[in-house]
Amino acid sequence: QQQVKQSPQSLIVQKGGISIINCAYENTAFDYFPWYQQFPGKGPALLIAIRPDVSEKKEGRFTISFNKSAKQFSLHIMDSQPGDSATYFCAASNNGGSQGNLIFGKGTKLSVKP
Amino acid sequence: GAVVSQHPSRVICKSGTSVKIECRSLDFQATTMFWYRQFPKKSLMLMATSNEGSKATYEQGVEKDKFLINHASLTLSTLTVTSAHPEDSSFYICSVSGGAGNQPQHFGDGTRLSIL
Repeated sequence: QQQVKQSPQSLIVQKGGISIINCAYENTAFDYFPWYQQFPGKGPALLIAIRPDVSEKKEGRFTISFNKSAKQFSLHIMDSQPGDSATYFCAASNNGGSQGNLIFGKGTKLSVKP
Repeated sequence: GAVVSQHPSRVICKSGTSVKIECRSLDFQATTMFWYRQFPKKSLMLMATSNEGSKATYEQGVEKDKFLINHASLTLSTLTVTSAHPEDSSFYICSVSGGAGNQPQHFGDGTRLSIL
């Protein structure tokens, strides 16, 4: 059973455009929803994270939108740049993601065309 | 700066060899470390949770005798792939957790293991 479903699998966006990646989860006990950015040959780097007590969190060009009732959350990358080209993973966990296990989505490969 | 140091970054060895991968927490004492495996163009799959001073907790389907984990100090965990075979070739990534409150996991840069 896939606990975190991520879409799309790949995404091509023009420079300056908005990249949107969506995730849905099943377990209502999840209380921590991070997004990770991974470049080839590197480990994932935490990009931004949200907890279910807020519906939106923004950090620079990156915004997470969270819909608790629908059990969905999404990452929006505004003014997308070629340097944003990477694989993005959503994840979920209970217990804040520190002691708890992170359950990852399958990833979205983002390509930003100049 | 880097929070987690993982070594080696890449290793190529013959089938039957045992390979040790180190994961070091640079910024804080990590009571818990996690070991993940990632196949090409796939997501990260948790293999085991490493707890300092106690036995690791392995996920279902992960052979504990195949993947030996030692977390002897608050800054170092090691994963040893014993008698490695080509099917063990993968990208292995560790992460550390400070454990104090809801601290996020920080990932190492991974180890690319290739078994010939």
